[in-house]
Amino acid sequence: GQQLNQSPQSMFIQEGEDVSMNCTSSSIFNTWLWYKQDPGEGPVLLIALYKAGELTSNGRLTAQFGITRKDSFLNISASIPSDVGIYFCAGQLGSNYQLIWGAGTKLIIKP
Amino acid sequence: KAGVTQTPRYLIKTRGQQVTLSCSPISGHRSVSWYQQTPGQGLQFLFEYFSETQRNKGNFPGRFSGRQFSNSRSEMNVSTLELGDSALYLCASSGLAGGDTGELFFGEGSRLTVL
Repeated sequence: GQQLNQSPQSMFIQEGEDVSMNCTSSSIFNTWLWYKQDPGEGPVLLIALYKAGELTSNGRLTAQFGITRKDSFLNISASIPSDVGIYFCAGQLGSNYQLIWGAGTKLIIKP
Repeated sequence: KAGVTQTPRYLIKTRGQQVTLSCSPISGHRSVSWYQQTPGQGLQFLFEYFSETQRNKGNFPGRFSGRQFSNSRSEMNVSTLELGDSALYLCASSGLAGGDTGELFFGEGSRLTVL
């Protein structure tokens, strides 16, 4: 079946650092989405991307839809404690197709 | 606007029993999707309902079933529970047929423990 390779699996960072994570696939996607899951809660949509090459920001978060349509990345600038959680990428092959999910990147801030 | 509501939040069952989980979507949303989340497997798609019809189904055995009512509320049922069914079950609603935009609104989940 279709797969998304999300990396890294986990990140230990210092508060104030920038963070970068990405998802790649061998398939071409029409949509890329990034979700964040806080402990004990369901995932929440952060950014949705619908066009190849699209670069979209949401506060300190920036995500890009890769030109080849096979990848996407998410950057977080100047991380703060509330950024901890699990970040998921999800791709959609087209309308009426179910989302394909990455395995998640767990963000941990070093004390 | 109230979010997606899932009940119960926590439950403990024993092997062989069955369980029913409930999901109330955001008012006006007609699509409801169900996911199983385990630490090692991430988010696994179970099924999606739109206007009381199952539109898509993931690769789960027939012990996992669901339905949607005319008010868009949805239930999922797992029969003959196995230890491996212990997981967080997440429900997500969407304003359109779930496949249209990929923008899902998740509930807090129902955490099932099978002993």
